[in-house]
Amino acid sequence: DSGVTQTPKHLITATGQRVTLRCSPRSGDLSVYWYQQSLDQGLQFLIQYYNGEERAKGNILERFSAQQFPDLHSELNLSSLELGDSALYFCASSVDQRETEAFFGQGTRLTVV
Amino acid sequence: GQSLEQPSEVTAVEGAIVQINCTYQTSGFYGLSWYQQHDGGAPTFLSYNGLDGLEETGRFSSFLSRSDSYGYLLLQELQMKDSASYFCAVRDGTGGFKTIFGAGTRLFVKA
Repeated sequence: DSGVTQTPKHLITATGQRVTLRCSPRSGDLSVYWYQQSLDQGLQFLIQYYNGEERAKGNILERFSAQQFPDLHSELNLSSLELGDSALYFCASSVDQRETEAFFGQGTRLTVV
Repeated sequence: GQSLEQPSEVTAVEGAIVQINCTYQTSGFYGLSWYQQHDGGAPTFLSYNGLDGLEETGRFSSFLSRSDSYGYLLLQELQMKDSASYFCAVRDGTGGFKTIFGAGTRLFVKA
């Protein structure tokens, strides 16, 4: 158990809908990262927050947004969902913003039908 | 731009040693990490190299040469449970720290 909690574990939704994925980092970790992993693909970095502030942005679509709350949990919002958004979404956390060692949650498997 | 190259598949026998190479191209290199991921599971951190040289953690070692933009993960005394995907990841400090992952190397360990 990495100490990073993601909910829900599975999500099935229709195209055009909006969903929210939630992540609670390890106790003491200030940085949260979101990654997308499509079938047989590597991990694509989406966005990083550190202590409530956005720190880095990767290949995140405009339909996607995220935030980190004062209690350090984070949410990833995916809207106007398309079939191609079906993927595993991982959250990771690290104690600092350099991510020299990141701890991953078990992921949320999103299926868009 | 940023890119990482690692072999797509490697096969080895139980008890052997295997090396997974990773070459990278990035504008603001900060460090090289390695992660293991079993099917259906989450990536698990294995090692990090911020400076040149070898880092050893049990059966796993990782090496970095910044001048060659090259690193490798060495797995010794292979066990069946080591069958998994292994990702190298470069930490890029340009425009905020972000991690770029390679496509992964699928390791098959045979009896």
